[in-house]
Amino acid sequence: EADIYQTPRYLVIGTGKKITLECSQTMGHDKMYWYQQDPGMELHLIHYSYGVNSTEKGDLSSESTVSRIRTEHFPLTLESARPSHTSQYLCATRDRDSYNSPLHFGNGTRLTVT
Amino acid sequence: QKEVEQNSGPLSVPEGAIASLNCTYSDRGSQSFFWYRQYSGKSPELIMFIYSNGDKEDGRFTAQLNKASQYVSLLIRDSQPSDSATYLCAAYNYNQGGKLIFGQGTELSVKP
Repeated sequence: EADIYQTPRYLVIGTGKKITLECSQTMGHDKMYWYQQDPGMELHLIHYSYGVNSTEKGDLSSESTVSRIRTEHFPLTLESARPSHTSQYLCATRDRDSYNSPLHFGNGTRLTVT
Repeated sequence: QKEVEQNSGPLSVPEGAIASLNCTYSDRGSQSFFWYRQYSGKSPELIMFIYSNGDKEDGRFTAQLNKASQYVSLLIRDSQPSDSATYLCAAYNYNQGGKLIFGQGTELSVKP
């Protein structure tokens, strides 16, 4: 079972601020993902990483950036927050790229930009 | 056409009934399928996954896969009000970078 920690759990911030959403995992999984989900809507992959120093953009264009300097840590940064960034951000991991390897999700960060 | 499609619902069933949730996929190369449950305001949690044609049972849950029809379903027996949530279907395809592609989810409401 993957232990995935996301902080903060809730964040309300003003337009133009720089923010970093934290995601850490304790299982040593190489593969990590960031999804964005608006209320009642589907999950959209915005970034993923297959290991240290590996990052890729997902299927949904995002103004955010990510880094993967350590296996256990995959932070997401917004340089200048806007109201359109208001959403829930979910971090997930997989232990391998295989047909029988599920995604494990963290508790999410609910971001509100005023 | 979306790669993974689900009826958004809401699907309403009485307590104790069987809830049937359906999912279709467009890419025949998809190798496996995952069902997640997501309560409002929470993150998705894995229920089960299936990769072989036929049925796979886990407690009150049964996943069914028909690759010829490109169809996956999740049956919930003896539905309980606590099963009320959104159910997400996801397809895994190694040839698409190994990512899981999610459907939009089906909202299930179990009435006491």
